[in-house]
Amino acid sequence: ETGVTQTPRHLVMGMTNKKSLKCEQHLGHNAMYWYKQSAKKPLELMFVYNFKEQTENNSVPSRFSPECPNSSHLFLHLHTLQPEDSALYLCASSQPGELGDIQYFGAGTRLSVL
Amino acid sequence: GENVEQHPSTLSVQEGDSAVIKCTYSDSASNYFPWYKQELGKGPQLIIDIRSNVGEKKDQRIAVTLNKTAKHFSLHITETQPEDSAVYFCAASKGTGANNLFFGTGTRLTVIP
Repeated sequence: ETGVTQTPRHLVMGMTNKKSLKCEQHLGHNAMYWYKQSAKKPLELMFVYNFKEQTENNSVPSRFSPECPNSSHLFLHLHTLQPEDSALYLCASSQPGELGDIQYFGAGTRLSVL
Repeated sequence: GENVEQHPSTLSVQEGDSAVIKCTYSDSASNYFPWYKQELGKGPQLIIDIRSNVGEKKDQRIAVTLNKTAKHFSLHITETQPEDSAVYFCAASKGTGANNLFFGTGTRLTVIP
């Protein structure tokens, strides 16, 4: 495995629900990322955390709220989502430095919004 | 920002044949070009990467070439096997640290036994 674990693997939620996605990395990295993967579209970067500080918010709607309590854990809190938010949400991590651009991905959470 | 285009979107080859996937990028400052393989139910896995100070890199049956002048890079898989069937993504980024990877739209490779 890659050392990046995402839970749950599958999630079905209604538009009025509140849920959270969890990502944990066991690689000792200090940067973590959330991506959205939709069919026939490039992976879309959503958020970047570098040493627990958010360094990128790629114009993501406020119904997605990230949280990074420490360098090993990353959450994505979801509320009042829309059906078009259904996608595979991927977490990744990297180690800032000379090889900081090598990102390691988790298996993703498949989200379905009804 | 960076724009990465990837072709073809689907590719079918006979087992044992070669497969080539091509990508172009727009930002001449990009200097790191990884290729990821994504199998069903899994996240993307890095299979090979190249930095802008080299023109070619090879790892067993896979190789990547980079043409900085033309701003394109390619993935070559030789002697394809059924387990090579997956979606392949190219990406580009610049600098170090916590960086943005800009991905292509992916190529679904099917290797026919």
